[in-house]
Amino acid sequence: LAKTTQPISMDSYEGQEVNITCSHNNIATNDYITWYQQFPSQGPRFIIQGYKTKVTNEVASLFIPADRKSSTLSLPRVSLSDTAVYYCLVGDYTGRRALTFGSGTRLQVQP
Amino acid sequence: GAVVSQHPSWVICKSGTSVKIECRSLDFQATTMFWYRQFPKQSLMLMATSNEGSKATYEQGVEKDKFLINHASLTLSTLTVTSAHPEDSSFYICSGTQYIAGKVIYEQYFGPGTRLTVT
Repeated sequence: LAKTTQPISMDSYEGQEVNITCSHNNIATNDYITWYQQFPSQGPRFIIQGYKTKVTNEVASLFIPADRKSSTLSLPRVSLSDTAVYYCLVGDYTGRRALTFGSGTRLQVQP
Repeated sequence: GAVVSQHPSWVICKSGTSVKIECRSLDFQATTMFWYRQFPKQSLMLMATSNEGSKATYEQGVEKDKFLINHASLTLSTLTVTSAHPEDSSFYICSGTQYIAGKVIYEQYFGPGTRLTVT
């Protein structure tokens, strides 16, 4: 399973754009990249998923370079409610294997 | 997205007793369910993978006789912590995988978690 590396923590202010980069050097051909958000005492919540290039949804964008060895989650104009832990996970698309959680990035948004 | 529920959301039990946690996929059929454990300020750790109708596959270091997993139907998996001890106190989270016909990639949905406290 591809191991992921993310910054342990990040600080930001309300209204700013936040970019969290994840490195996954040994990502496999069948692997997709998925980002989850977790608040204290809650289960992880799906944010975005992608395979290559750029993916955008209503809450975030995901940038994946051609070599796919890293990915960047971009959160536009964060608010206090975005304070959470963000996990980058890499896994195959069959769903038969569990996603391996790394340490995650603890994002603290200040007013 | 699809919804996964867990029951109970929190439970307190005495040392030596057993506790059952239910995980249900409410609006989809989960052929595969996973159970995770999370200690305070730590990441999720996979405990086991269960496929409907077959025995669960446990991760190294997880005692299968202590953490009994039953995946009797496509919408229900249960985790029973037998002879619980204070060190079993943790946040237990399940997830289910939905395979959508015609869609290349899977989607995995997580339950809200169950806080277990063993006194």
